[in-house]
Amino acid sequence: AQTVTQSQPEMSVQEAETVTLSCTYDTSESNYYLFWYKQPPSRQMILVIRQEAYKQQNATENRFSVNFQKAAKSFSLKISDSQLGDTAMYFCAFMKLSGGSNYKLTFGKGTLLTVNP
Amino acid sequence: DTGVSQNPRHKITKRGQNVTFRCDPISEHNRLYWYRQTLGQGPEFLTYFQNEAQLEKSRLLSDRFSAERPKGSFSTLEIQRTEQGDSAMYLCASTVVNTEAFFGQGTRLTVV
Repeated sequence: AQTVTQSQPEMSVQEAETVTLSCTYDTSESNYYLFWYKQPPSRQMILVIRQEAYKQQNATENRFSVNFQKAAKSFSLKISDSQLGDTAMYFCAFMKLSGGSNYKLTFGKGTLLTVNP
Repeated sequence: DTGVSQNPRHKITKRGQNVTFRCDPISEHNRLYWYRQTLGQGPEFLTYFQNEAQLEKSRLLSDRFSAERPKGSFSTLEIQRTEQGDSAMYLCASTVVNTEAFFGQGTRLTVV
């Protein structure tokens, strides 16, 4: 079974600054995806960024980028130029791709990020 | 089609009552998932449908829980004889293979 650990329950950052959220995972699988999802207060969860395990290049989406360290099983999210709208709960998630995985997600406990004006 | 829709958004029920939630996925998505999210935790997988077939159920899904997806369209999740421990946010997500999962806003259940 896979586990996902987010060791920072809460973080805060000043608007326009950069913040990094940590995530580690444990798996014996070699073929998988990793995700960061954002859940704003009272709104639905949306995908921030996705990383395929077979890709060495770190994924980037505008102000969001990841540092994927496969050997260390680490997958951190960096948010640059933080905006007030980035305030949300952030979840790291794992998806196994092989062996009848059914593509379900295994989530960490989340990190509540607050962006201060 | 504007996304995954879940109804009701909130439900308060007395212990022992039955409740049913509905999820309308994005129309072309053949895969549908139910997750449960309790306070301070990430979502946990409950069950998965591919079209109308329920292909996987978590051990979290006790005998009091049942889910259906007739004709591979909308899905319902029913909880019988609710208990206080069932209080949670119930999330529905839909996808096609190898794409992102789209989540609904969830149904928040409070059992009093």
